[in-house]
Amino acid sequence: NAGVTQTPKFQVLKTGQSMTLQCAQDMNHEYMSWYRQDPGMGLRLIHYSVGAGITDQGEVPNGYNVSRSTTEDFPLRLLSAAPSQTSVYFCASSRDTSNQPQHFGDGTRLSIL
Amino acid sequence: GNSVTQMEGPVTLSEEAFLTINCTYTATGYPSLFWYVQYPGEGLQLLLKATKADDKGSNKGFEATYRKETTSFHLEKGSVQVSDSAVYFCALSDLRASARQLTFGSGTQLTVLP
Repeated sequence: NAGVTQTPKFQVLKTGQSMTLQCAQDMNHEYMSWYRQDPGMGLRLIHYSVGAGITDQGEVPNGYNVSRSTTEDFPLRLLSAAPSQTSVYFCASSRDTSNQPQHFGDGTRLSIL
Repeated sequence: GNSVTQMEGPVTLSEEAFLTINCTYTATGYPSLFWYVQYPGEGLQLLLKATKADDKGSNKGFEATYRKETTSFHLEKGSVQVSDSAVYFCALSDLRASARQLTFGSGTQLTVLP
């Protein structure tokens, strides 16, 4: 079972470059989200989506953009990369019921020089 | 707002030792509580959960009880193994929120020595 698939696993960018982190899930989950993980800070929510065509901001949305054109895919775009965006990024999904746990991808480690 | 405070790490134990990782929370609604585990190089995996007061979640020898009176959800295991070495995250999900956002603690690194 593929679950939640993130690509790439590693990426190095220069300041000012843009890129898209890909996330796909094959579980027909309605809810998808992006988190960033920084040392000593746990995971913080960037953006989330409760279904195709619907997105909303999380705790730390600045500098990131998302779209949800299909149920399966939820890409995260960095518009103009900054060193402060150096982090590990996790995509997660869950069914549309309140007590269901979220399933996480293996993460994308991003370094901005 | 919601918050989760987790025991500072790192924690180093010998194999077969007893483990406790403390977790307390602040929530305005009626949260569900979770423990996630992250093994090196991997994403987070659900370890256990509890959805209402006095519920006990358990999995792989780990247990945690939802204590509303002390707003706590401490993780325990009676005898740890080397394979339990990982980072453990306590988290809550507020059922009243418009979206099921998870609020995470900062994580506790556990190392178990043979």
